[in-house]
Order: sequence, then C-alpha cells, then structure tokens
Amino acid sequence: NAGVMQNPRHLVRRRGQEARLRCSPMKGHSHVYWYRQLPEEGLKFMVYLQKENIIDESGMPKERFSAEFPKEGPSILRIQQVVRGDSAAYFCASSPWSSYNSPLHFGNGTRLTVT
Amino acid sequence: AQTVTQSQPEMSVQEAETVTLSCTYDTSESDYYLFWYKQPPSRQMILVIRQEAYKQQNATENRFSVNFQKAAKSFSLKISDSQLGDAAMYFCAYRSAAGTASKLTFGTGTRLQVTL
Repeated sequence: NAGVMQNPRHLVRRRGQEARLRCSPMKGHSHVYWYRQLPEEGLKFMVYLQKENIIDESGMPKERFSAEFPKEGPSILRIQQVVRGDSAAYFCASSPWSSYNSPLHFGNGTRLTVT
Repeated sequence: AQTVTQSQPEMSVQEAETVTLSCTYDTSESDYYLFWYKQPPSRQMILVIRQEAYKQQNATENRFSVNFQKAAKSFSLKISDSQLGDAAMYFCAYRSAAGTASKLTFGTGTRLQVTL
C-alpha cells in the first residue's frame, strides 16, 4: 500500500511565478491536511480538506494561497505570485476519517525555493 | 487555541544512554491526543509514539516511552539505549478531540544528536 505521495520533491520558482504542489493521499483516505515548515521551525497547519470540500482553512494566508481536493485526482496546494518568504517545506498528510483518533500519515514534503 | 512548547532546541546523548525530551502544552480541553514525531534529515515525518489523554498509563513503544502528566500538561519523551539512528528532529504535537477539524498543533522541535 503506497504511502502519501507528494510531488515534486523539490520545486524552484522565481518571484512572481506560480507554484503547484500535489498530494496523493493513501488509498482509501479522503481527508487531507497541508502543513508548512519554515527552516528550523515546526510544522504549521494550513488547511484541512475532504473530497471537494474545504473544512478548515484557518492557517491559510488570505491572499495568493489556495487548495483543492477534487473528487478525482490529487489534492493541490497552489501559491500564486510567489515571494521569497514562501520558501519552505510543504507537507501533506492524509487520514481515513476525521476524528481525532484517526491516524495521520505524512508525505515526504515538497521543498519550495523561491529565487 | 492550543499551544505546544518544546523548551530544548538541542539535546545530545551518548550512544546506549538515555535521554528525555521535554514538551508542555496549553489547553482547556479534557480529551485529546498527544504525539511525538521524528524527522530525520530525509524530512519524512515518522510517528514515534502517541498518548490518549484519558488513559493514565504512559505509552511505550520499544525503546521509546512517555511521561504524561495531565495536570501539569507535560508530555516528555524518554529514549532508552540511544542509537545513532535516533539522531533527528523530534516534534511534540497536540490533537484536539473536539469537532471534526482535528488538525495537529506542533511544537518547534528539539534536535537530538547522538554521539559515540
């Protein structure tokens, strides 16, 4: 059973470009969480999605960031007009159900570098 | 909002020795989960151990055990017989039992070095 797959592993973008990060949850998982990790810091929650729904986006910056989890295909975290401060590792985690005792499985992250 | 504090940015332990990593948290809730995750240089987040707040017995996983003090809101991780492969960042995390948006709240991490 494949784990949570994130791609690309590394992504380099120039300031002003768009970044699209993909996350394929584990088979049978319909809940996806996105986290951001700045250098030498812990993971910060960004957004929680179920299939076709955003459940909690309290950690998402108000501008330039968006996320989706369509009925078919991976979850996408999209960052428009990237700035140097967006450089970070972005992690996706999935779980089979929403309650607090459901196991969270993390992907290996995408490291975004903005030049 | 819940907060998780790890007051030790770095720790060092000799191989085969025991080390304890500290974690405190702040919450007004009575039911929740606590976790320790390990992040090696590969960046992968690996679940080390977890503890349900309503369970008084401290969780144990092989060489890893926790000291959960609910009243003190403390959740420390003890690593026994340390191995070189234990070298990594360790993150403490909190997960609320309330509602359905059960996100994890992480501390800032402790970098563990293991020396020969």
